[in-house]
Amino acid sequence: EAGVAQSPRYKIIEKRQSVAFWCNPISGHATLYWYQQILGQGPKLLIQFQNNGVVDDSQLPKDRFSAERLKGVDSTLKIQPAKLEDSAVYLCASSRTSGDSYEQYFGPGTRLTVT
Amino acid sequence: KNQVEQSPQSLIILEGKNCTLQCNYTVSPFSNLRWYKQDTGRGPVSLTIMTFSENTKSNGRYTATLDADTKQSSLHITASQLSDSASYICVVSGYSSASKIIFGSGTRLSIRP
Repeated sequence: EAGVAQSPRYKIIEKRQSVAFWCNPISGHATLYWYQQILGQGPKLLIQFQNNGVVDDSQLPKDRFSAERLKGVDSTLKIQPAKLEDSAVYLCASSRTSGDSYEQYFGPGTRLTVT
Repeated sequence: KNQVEQSPQSLIILEGKNCTLQCNYTVSPFSNLRWYKQDTGRGPVSLTIMTFSENTKSNGRYTATLDADTKQSSLHITASQLSDSASYICVVSGYSSASKIIFGSGTRLSIRP
């Protein structure tokens, strides 16, 4: 089966600019996750969707970050305006459904550099 | 506080040697523990998953152990290969909303020829 697709793979922007990332999960996977991974650290969950509904967005900086999954398939994550500390890899993952026994499959990530 | 601590932070070994990576956690109530391998520039890939009742699980040259009493896990890599160079991340899931999925910071493993 095709894996999780993400685009773009790399993005360089200046602080205060806006940026959007796109994710297409594995076909049939109901649950989609966005993670932020700062260099040298493990991924941090930003938001979790179950179909097109938000399950957990407790660690999403809502003043500047937003995410949507309108049709319950692909998803976009937006940062507006970006700060220097947003430089990180943004990983998208999907699983068949929610529940900790289901394996998450990760995409290759988008590396964001904010200058 | 629910935490996952990994050690060492980084490790360099010669090709063909064995190594063991450690993961200590305080996540409670515990559901399962996974080890992921993350190659540079790629997303993590699952190696093993263990629940409370499992003590050991193997995936080729990778063997994970779990002691749920002491809340410790280890990942043992046998006869290391250059392709084993990667970050290894321990991920613990709990049942409460505060401990759903907790990622460790990873161990950066480098295999030298």
